[in-house]
Amino acid sequence: DAKTTQPNSMESNEEEPVHLPCNHSTISGTDYIHWYRQLPSQGPEYVIHGLTSNVNNRMASLAIAEDRKSSTLILHRATLRDAAVYYCILRLPNEKLTFGTGTRLTIIP
Amino acid sequence: DTGVSQNPRHKITKRGQNVTFRCDPISEHNRLYWYRQTLGQGPEFLTYFQNEAQLEKSRLLSDRFSAERPKGSFSTLEIQRTEQGDSAMYLCASSLLETQYFGPGTRLTVL
Repeated sequence: DAKTTQPNSMESNEEEPVHLPCNHSTISGTDYIHWYRQLPSQGPEYVIHGLTSNVNNRMASLAIAEDRKSSTLILHRATLRDAAVYYCILRLPNEKLTFGTGTRLTIIP
Repeated sequence: DTGVSQNPRHKITKRGQNVTFRCDPISEHNRLYWYRQTLGQGPEFLTYFQNEAQLEKSRLLSDRFSAERPKGSFSTLEIQRTEQGDSAMYLCASSLLETQYFGPGTRLTVL
């Protein structure tokens, strides 16, 4: 499986935008970029995914570099409920998810 | 609530005992996954079903572990002769298309 690299932790102020980076230099042409998050004491939750183009949904935006070797998850206005571990995962269609250790996001009130 | 449910939520057992966990996926989801998560780590894949067929098993799934999905509906994960190293959160997820929906997990503690 292709690997991803994420910072171990990040902090952000409440109501500010948050940019969570992910490097995936060995991505293959058929790998989708998925983001899941895990709130304390809960199972992981889908956030967003994309292949080549930037993607937006009600939770977040995903910005994908032109060479696809990196991507950024953007939370437009962080709230305390966004405090979680965020996982960036490369995945072939319908395959299992291979989680790393993710980025622990702390929101400062 | 029509999300993925898992039972029990917590299980404490003594080393050497057998335990069984149940996962009820979202109705009509044909794919069902089991993962295991230890403290401070991301979830690790254990096994995957498409309908009733078990299509992939991780080498993490030793011969003490067995999973079933009779009739392609709910699934069970059994651990025989539990060891302290089996203590973890066991997560189930289901999907129809690309998105996997996770249950709340079963936390197993082996004393």
